Amino acid sequence: EADIYQTPRYLVIGTGKKITLECSQTMGHDKMYWYQQDPGMELHLIHYSYGVNSTEKGDLSSESTVSRIRTEHFPLTLESARPSHTSQYLCASSEKWQGGSPLHFGNGTRLTVT
Amino acid sequence: KNQVEQSPQSLIILEGKNCTLQCNYTVSPFSNLRWYKQDTGRGPVSLTIMTFSENTKSNGRYTATLDADTKQSSLHITASQLSDSASYICVVSDRGSTLGRLYFGRGTQLTVWP
Repeated sequence: EADIYQTPRYLVIGTGKKITLECSQTMGHDKMYWYQQDPGMELHLIHYSYGVNSTEKGDLSSESTVSRIRTEHFPLTLESARPSHTSQYLCASSEKWQGGSPLHFGNGTRLTVT
Repeated sequence: KNQVEQSPQSLIILEGKNCTLQCNYTVSPFSNLRWYKQDTGRGPVSLTIMTFSENTKSNGRYTATLDADTKQSSLHITASQLSDSASYICVVSDRGSTLGRLYFGRGTQLTVWP
């Protein structure tokens, strides 16, 4: 069972709203990631963190921001949601950098912006 | 261009039958290849990891093979069960170090019918 938790599971909001997607893990992993997944498409890395106070943008350009104030918590924020942000967002963590150990994924947040 | 291609895109089989999913990659350098299983509405879960020197690895009814020369991997599922219905994602890492990145396939959607 996953030791990484994402809330909310589903979110429908209007354009222009500010939202925060929560992600917490209890495994003590330093490495954490946010991926975007659209139906039938590959996962795209949008943010990652090596540890506390470390955040970087990933391969896919995103208007979202992240923070890492505590090891276990890695929230993602959209200041002004748009319909193009509609997607599934997956949070993950790993013991080593992403290639060196398996990723542990949360169950995702499915975001719909109307 | 580093890519991961999976086939077939979708597959329907009857319960109890075997099936094989394919993954071809052009990622270089190569560090390892993982197969993930993603149930509907859940995050991906790691099934197996294959490194350059490994040809075959089993995890219960799942057997992964790797041919590093032809850059091909397969995932064979024996005696399928209804719970095997899921998307199977092939992920290739170009390095295990902090500098490495992951390349995701789009997945094969497997449906097992009773």
